[in-house]
Amino acid sequence: DVKVTQSSRYLVKRTGEKVFLECVQDMDHENMFWYRQDPGLGLRLIYFSYDVKMKEKGDIPEGYSVSREKKERFSLILESASTNQTSMYLCASSGTGRGQPQHFGDGTRLSIL
Amino acid sequence: AQSVTQLGSHVSVSEGALVLLRCNYSSSVPPYLFWYVQYPNQGLQLLLKYTTGATLVKGINGFEAEFKKSETSFHLTKPSAHMSDAAEYFCAVSDLRTNAGKSTFGDGTTLTVKP
Repeated sequence: DVKVTQSSRYLVKRTGEKVFLECVQDMDHENMFWYRQDPGLGLRLIYFSYDVKMKEKGDIPEGYSVSREKKERFSLILESASTNQTSMYLCASSGTGRGQPQHFGDGTRLSIL
Repeated sequence: AQSVTQLGSHVSVSEGALVLLRCNYSSSVPPYLFWYVQYPNQGLQLLLKYTTGATLVKGINGFEAEFKKSETSFHLTKPSAHMSDAAEYFCAVSDLRTNAGKSTFGDGTTLTVKP
């Protein structure tokens, strides 16, 4: 089975801090994604990556950056955390090819105080 | 651009009753369609998917969905609800034009199952 592992289930940080969320997948997938999930808003794509060192902005990239130095690891960075970035963050990966589903980690619930 | 609309953010059924969760999509090319389920404090997991071929797709836990091109729909059903089906369900669409793994998700439907 595909395993997508997010480094923290719960995280509490302070406004202005630089925050790193880490995600690792073990299936050699080319594509990796970061979403945030908020009540009533569904999943919103922050960034995705289709190869090492390659990235594209999603729907809500403001205030975030990403890093993909190795194929299995995709990091989300909050440059200067703000309270409106309190949310559930989900990482996912998928292979290339037609009709590939996404495989999700269990999420990181991030609180910015 | 592709989009997904899930009708009804909350659906409540009695245990043993039919489950029907509605999903309509918009895509100008043949879509790939997915249903995912999310249990509390977990990530999403794939229930089923439609790519090509048979329009009635069977998934895990007794769920199935039917692709209806004329109605641009992909509704999720289960004949008899169990308490363990209580969760949030997401419909998603992707197509040939996008990066193969990128999908657009609906806003989700929370399913409550009453004893």
